[in-house]
Amino acid sequence: DGGITQSPKYLFRKEGQNVTLSCEQNLNHDAMYWYRQDPGQGLRLIYYSQIVNDFQKGDIAEGYSVSREKKESFPLTVTSAQKNPTAFYLCASSIMGGGVGEQFFGPGTRLTVL
Amino acid sequence: GENVEQHPSTLSVQEGDSAVIKCTYSDSASNYFPWYKQELGKRPQLIIDIRSNVGEKKDQRIAVTLNKTAKHFSLHITETQPEDSAVYFCAASRRGETSGSRLTFGEGTQLTVNP
Repeated sequence: DGGITQSPKYLFRKEGQNVTLSCEQNLNHDAMYWYRQDPGQGLRLIYYSQIVNDFQKGDIAEGYSVSREKKESFPLTVTSAQKNPTAFYLCASSIMGGGVGEQFFGPGTRLTVL
Repeated sequence: GENVEQHPSTLSVQEGDSAVIKCTYSDSASNYFPWYKQELGKRPQLIIDIRSNVGEKKDQRIAVTLNKTAKHFSLHITETQPEDSAVYFCAASRRGETSGSRLTFGEGTQLTVNP
């Protein structure tokens, strides 16, 4: 069953803690992305990676970190430096190059800071 | 960088009516314009997309038009049904042979179709 998965579905964090959100895909996509979605707002790009061992900052990278050690995996760490981390986090993947442009999204992780 | 504006933020229509959502973009080099539908608590899903080499694309009740000169594109849904109720996002990107599709999204339109 091909697709993109995220875990956990819900995550609660105490202030001052780092937490890591998981994103895995078996679509053989080269590119992966992390977005943040706040209520009533669009998706804002946090980080993206076009190839293993390489990634770039998006529009709101402060307080977040990522790694891309495997093609299938792109975990996102929300650090204590992120002052307002409560949000819905979406991971996505796509092929590279000039082919189909669709980004496939995971089901999301809802993070709440207690 | 790219900036995408989307209007209206909310849209309420009667079942069977048409719905139109409009977006403008700022980067004249953008060449790929997808539309995503997101139901409450779910992931966004692509419903239609258009590339800059065409002016219109249609898929059953859904159509998208693109005006490159004015830098705006629109989503048209005809014969709306209650299951069309969702948040719709437009996006724009500059895709090349060696780049992925880094998308810039609009802020979304909450469409409600009343039975």
